Amino acid sequence: TQLLEQSPQFLSIQEGENLTVYCNSSSVFSSLQWYRQEPGEGPVLLVTVVTGGEVKKLKRLTFQFGDARKDSSLHITAAQPGDTGLYLCALQGRGANSKLTFGKGITLSVRP
Amino acid sequence: GAVVSQHPSRVICKSGTSVKIECRSLDFQATTMFWYRQFPKQSLMLMATSNEGSKATYEQGVEKDKFLINHASLTLSTLTVTSAHPEDSSFYICSARDMANQFSNEKLFFGSGTQLSVL
Repeated sequence: TQLLEQSPQFLSIQEGENLTVYCNSSSVFSSLQWYRQEPGEGPVLLVTVVTGGEVKKLKRLTFQFGDARKDSSLHITAAQPGDTGLYLCALQGRGANSKLTFGKGITLSVRP
Repeated sequence: GAVVSQHPSRVICKSGTSVKIECRSLDFQATTMFWYRQFPKQSLMLMATSNEGSKATYEQGVEKDKFLINHASLTLSTLTVTSAHPEDSSFYICSARDMANQFSNEKLFFGSGTQLSVL
């Protein structure tokens, strides 16, 4: 089973600061997904990265997939209280019935 | 966009009773649905894969007789927590894959979860 390590586990920052969080594995990913989850809600897909070295931007969020496809990062510029939540990376298995395996998640708190 | 409806959103029950949670795909068909459990401030742990018209596939350590899964139609899967105990208290989340895009990584949609509290 391929394991995903996310770091840091908890992060509390002031509004306006920048931050970077990470998702790593000892094995190569075929693709990786990032989700954000708010308390009492299901996770919402933010992005899927597939190609090594790929960079995707979603407003103030920048996602990068490592060249070797073993790691990924999420950078948030000028964080806002609305960014508060649990950020999860996940691996998708292969095939039609493939399951999604999540990392342990990063709890982000942005103070106003 | 595709929507997965999960019901109820919150349930409180007495120890020893059974609780049924429904997961419906509202505007697409799903041969496969997934059930996850999440404890406070922790990640989602896959419990089982629900397959329409066949038996569910359970992850290691998940009791089949404790967590009954039925996927009788292409739009509905149910999870029944039988003889619930306080340690079963958790947030349960389902997800469903859009059959029309079954090889696309984007087409997996999550319900809004069910908070189960067993007294």
